[in-house]
Amino acid sequence: NAGVMQNPRHLVRRRGQEARLRCSPMKGHSHVYWYRQLPEEGLKFMVYLQKENIIDESGMPKERFSAEFPKEGPSILRIQQVVRGDSAAYFCASSPPSNKGREQYFGPGTRLTVT
Amino acid sequence: TQLLEQSPQFLSIQEGENLTVYCNSSSVFSSLQWYRQEPGEGPVLLVTVVTGGEVKKLKRLTFQFGDARKDSSLHITAAQPGDTGLYLCAGAHGSSNTGKLIFGQGTTLQVKP
Repeated sequence: NAGVMQNPRHLVRRRGQEARLRCSPMKGHSHVYWYRQLPEEGLKFMVYLQKENIIDESGMPKERFSAEFPKEGPSILRIQQVVRGDSAAYFCASSPPSNKGREQYFGPGTRLTVT
Repeated sequence: TQLLEQSPQFLSIQEGENLTVYCNSSSVFSSLQWYRQEPGEGPVLLVTVVTGGEVKKLKRLTFQFGDARKDSSLHITAAQPGDTGLYLCAGAHGSSNTGKLIFGQGTTLQVKP
């Protein structure tokens, strides 16, 4: 039973480019969460999605960031016109519909470096 | 602002020693999770506590949720080098299912052989 998968594991972008981060939840999980871990800081919640719905995006920056979880395929976190401050590790987590998000299972993360 | 404060931030001990990590908040949480994270990897769930006063054991690790559900502790008995890592507590709020976990800053544990 595969865990949460994220790709790419490492992503390098120049300032102004777009970054697309992908997350495939565990089998049977319909809830997806994105977190960001900045250097020397803890994990910060960004967004919570269910299939085709954004449930809570209170942690998402207002500009340049968007997330989706389509009916088919992985969840995507998209960062447009990246800046150096976007350099961080981005983690996706998933949970089954039954446990109300109490237990979230994390992927290995995508390390984004903006040059 | 909902905060979880972990202490200590860094801990370096010898193999065989005992240690306790604390996770404190002024907010009440409906549940609290403990994770362990290795460098370059994602957090791995260790335990979830839900009921005030609850104690759970995982081999040499003992987790406790405070009676008021505002704090938690992780106690490791006879620490081993394999316990080295970043330990994170994370809390979930209330009855509404926003799914958001609030994370502490983490405790970096180093166990020397």
